[in-house]
Amino acid sequence: NAGVMQNPRHLVRRRGQEARLRCSPMKGHSHVYWYRQLPEEGLKFMVYLQKENIIDESGMPKERFSAEFPKEGPSILRIQQVVRGDSAAYFCASSSGTGDQPQHFGDGTRLSIL
Amino acid sequence: DQQVKQNSPSLSVQEGRISILNCDYTNSMFDYFLWYKKYPAEGPTFLISISSIKDKNEDGRFTVFLNKSAKHLSLHIVPSQPGDSAVYFCAASATDSNYQLIWGAGTKLIIKP
Repeated sequence: NAGVMQNPRHLVRRRGQEARLRCSPMKGHSHVYWYRQLPEEGLKFMVYLQKENIIDESGMPKERFSAEFPKEGPSILRIQQVVRGDSAAYFCASSSGTGDQPQHFGDGTRLSIL
Repeated sequence: DQQVKQNSPSLSVQEGRISILNCDYTNSMFDYFLWYKKYPAEGPTFLISISSIKDKNEDGRFTVFLNKSAKHLSLHIVPSQPGDSAVYFCAASATDSNYQLIWGAGTKLIIKP
């Protein structure tokens, strides 16, 4: 399966802990996007990365959230000192380029904060 | 400020008939539009897209129409099949916004047998 792979599918954390969400893009894709979906809402853009570079993080909270896409390995979305409001589904998408190139999505990580 | 709006939370259509899902947008800088289908507990699946230089794009049972003057697009599914029952999201992007997708809230399509 050469699709976008996200893990874990479900993640439970207590308030104050750290959450790490991983995303491996489709083979051949070098553009990665992270989105968050709250219940009954559409997805909201968080950050856009290319290998080793953050291109656009305008949708990401300024504190506690960070993202990386290293030269080797998956993209990581990291949330420090989680709070109840961080509970959501986090989706990763990848594309082969910009412009008229659709983004293809993984099945998401459901983060629950106790 | 919702830049992409899907005003119908749900739509019920008889199997075999045409399903028409609508989407309106406010940002005139959007130049690429996409439709995704989503099942519960899965990620969105890309269906079809259209560039702002076109007004129609067709792929099998799916056709997307774009009316730039009205800032409106629609997805037509014909004939509708039971497997089409899902939530459909409209999304838009702009070249000058790094192609981040701006999403509507979704329309739940129910295909009745």
